[in-house]
Amino acid sequence: AIQLTQSPSSLSASVGDRVTITCRASQGISSGLAWYQQKPGKAPKLLIYDASSLESGVPSRFSGSGSGTDFTLTISSLQPEDFATYYCQHFNIYPFTFGPGTKVDIK
Amino acid sequence: EVQLVESGGGLVKPGGSLTLSCAVYGSTFTNIWMSWVRQAPGKGLEWVARIKSKKDGETRDYTAPVNGRFTISRDDLKRTVSLQMISLKTDDTAVYYCTTGGPWGTYFDNWGQGTLVTVSS
Repeated sequence: AIQLTQSPSSLSASVGDRVTITCRASQGISSGLAWYQQKPGKAPKLLIYDASSLESGVPSRFSGSGSGTDFTLTISSLQPEDFATYYCQHFNIYPFTFGPGTKVDIK
Repeated sequence: EVQLVESGGGLVKPGGSLTLSCAVYGSTFTNIWMSWVRQAPGKGLEWVARIKSKKDGETRDYTAPVNGRFTISRDDLKRTVSLQMISLKTDDTAVYYCTTGGPWGTYFDNWGQGTLVTVSS
């Protein structure tokens, strides 16, 4: 199975900061990657698919990039509602797997 | 707007069985590939099972830890997807989410609220 790693595992940031989260795949997955946001007690929410396509209704401060094995999720200006845990997920081949998550909290 | 509503979670003893159900509202259900994703308490997300649409062969895939114990199925008339779980283990304790798949069941674009399954003696 393809393994995904995320870095950092957690970070503290302030409102207005630019935040970058990295996801690395154990083998090439082309652009078959999605990003999700999850808040405590809630279901995950799709943010980005196909590595860089913004899901409908998601604010434009979220962006994704990368292909092959290295991917990034960027939040250009962190807002109070963005404090959450972020997961990447590949959909190159079954079994689909998720990264371990990156928790973004308030500095 | 697509809405997914899960039911059927609860407390079950190791070795026991449980069936989860998910009702899908507001979309063309017959063409959608459906998945279950679970999250153990305090842990990350794990894809569990996927079923293709009938026109794509209704093929099923499972993650290795549940293969042979879990069965995913769908009823297009009732607009529901189910997850039958047998020989449950304590490691199966998790919130189980029903999800719709993007094109070819790739990413998960709609999620239910989740239903908690607790396997404990």
